[in-house]
Amino acid sequence: QVQLVQSGAEVKKPGSSVKVSCKPSGGTFTTSVINWVRQAPGQGLEWMGRILPILDITTYGQKFQGRVTITADKSTNTAFVELTRLSSEDTAIYYCATETRLKYWGQGTLVTVSS
Amino acid sequence: SYELTQPPSVAVSPGQAARITCSGDALPEKYTFWFQQKSGQAPVLVIYEDTKRPSGIPERFSGSSSGTMATLTISGAQVEDEADYYCYSMDTSGVFGGGTKLTVL
Repeated sequence: QVQLVQSGAEVKKPGSSVKVSCKPSGGTFTTSVINWVRQAPGQGLEWMGRILPILDITTYGQKFQGRVTITADKSTNTAFVELTRLSSEDTAIYYCATETRLKYWGQGTLVTVSS
Repeated sequence: SYELTQPPSVAVSPGQAARITCSGDALPEKYTFWFQQKSGQAPVLVIYEDTKRPSGIPERFSGSSSGTMATLTISGAQVEDEADYYCYSMDTSGVFGGGTKLTVL
């Protein structure tokens, strides 16, 4: 069973950037897709984008184009999502999830954007 | 991108069948996935590729798809099945439905 461990909660100022990490506790994900999904308080799930680390191929949701970057460091077996120009509307829990079918999920990382 | 539409809520009594629908124009060509999310927890995959059930998911969960509509059925819903349910599909990008709150009481 794959377990994904994400970085800790973040508090950011409006206009700044945040970078969240995701690392499997065992094994490697280079041959599998890593998706990033977020959930604002009391709201539904929102797909942000994904990466296939072995080929460094990324796909982004239209809403996030130009503001999100998903990367993978194969040497440390870690995936990242970076979101720039933060506003209060970006306050959410950010999840990583592996495989095209999103079989395994991280525990989530709360990002709070507040002045 | 396209949209997936779910009813906001479904309510059933324990032991009854619960059916949650998901409609989208691309569903005839794309697989549908279903996730269960309980309060304060990460989502859990309960159905993938329209009809397949991951190991560890109870047999009462099943999925079907016809035309532009996919359906998650919980046969004999139990109180522990009360949760939010989301459908998901992938075209050029991924998209989730708005979610359906299932109440079992």
